[in-house]
Amino acid sequence: ETGVTQTPRHLVMGMTNKKSLKCEQHLGHNAMYWYKQSAKKPLELMFVYSLEERVENNSVPSRFSPECPNSSHLFLHLHTLQPEDSALYLCASNLLGGDTDTQYFGPGTRLTVL
Amino acid sequence: TQLLEQSPQFLSIQEGENLTVYCNSSSVFSSLQWYRQEPGEGPVLLVTVVTGGEVKKLKRLTFQFGDARKDSSLHITAAQPGDTGLYLCAGEGGSRLTFGEGTQLTVNP
Repeated sequence: ETGVTQTPRHLVMGMTNKKSLKCEQHLGHNAMYWYKQSAKKPLELMFVYSLEERVENNSVPSRFSPECPNSSHLFLHLHTLQPEDSALYLCASNLLGGDTDTQYFGPGTRLTVL
Repeated sequence: TQLLEQSPQFLSIQEGENLTVYCNSSSVFSSLQWYRQEPGEGPVLLVTVVTGGEVKKLKRLTFQFGDARKDSSLHITAAQPGDTGLYLCAGEGGSRLTFGEGTQLTVNP
């Protein structure tokens, strides 16, 4: 247990569906991240939220829409995805300005797009 | 764009053997982190190295940061089946982490 939880752990969706991934951290951190992990590829940083404000969007297609309602929760809204979007989506959080910037990862959501 | 290359990508060894995993880049990083990821879980931080030439030991694991802070290595002594997992290195620059592709290690009993 890293203090970062993600739901659901597994998700199968069709290309026309709309779904959301949820991340929650109980560590008092002030920054949260979405990463995409595909087979044989490095983790790709998708979005960064610092103090609930989106500070980075790494050219992610608009079919992925993040939301950070408060410092403890992060969502990734999905709609009209493509099969190549199938991957493990990881959430992470850390405390910016603290002694260490160590990021703590959740267990991920394994997404399959049919 | 900062890139980190890890080698080997796959490693399968017998219990009790030693191994070394490498993480190389042409970029300088302010620190470098090593993670281990097990199936169905997110990466878990093993160690952070900050100073060029730094060596850190974590039981049977020895981590080294290159003098120029561009590369790192992870050495495991007397590997055990519990060491099986995906080992990721990540370089920190500008408060962002750049990950390598990872080394998938399998230790057979």
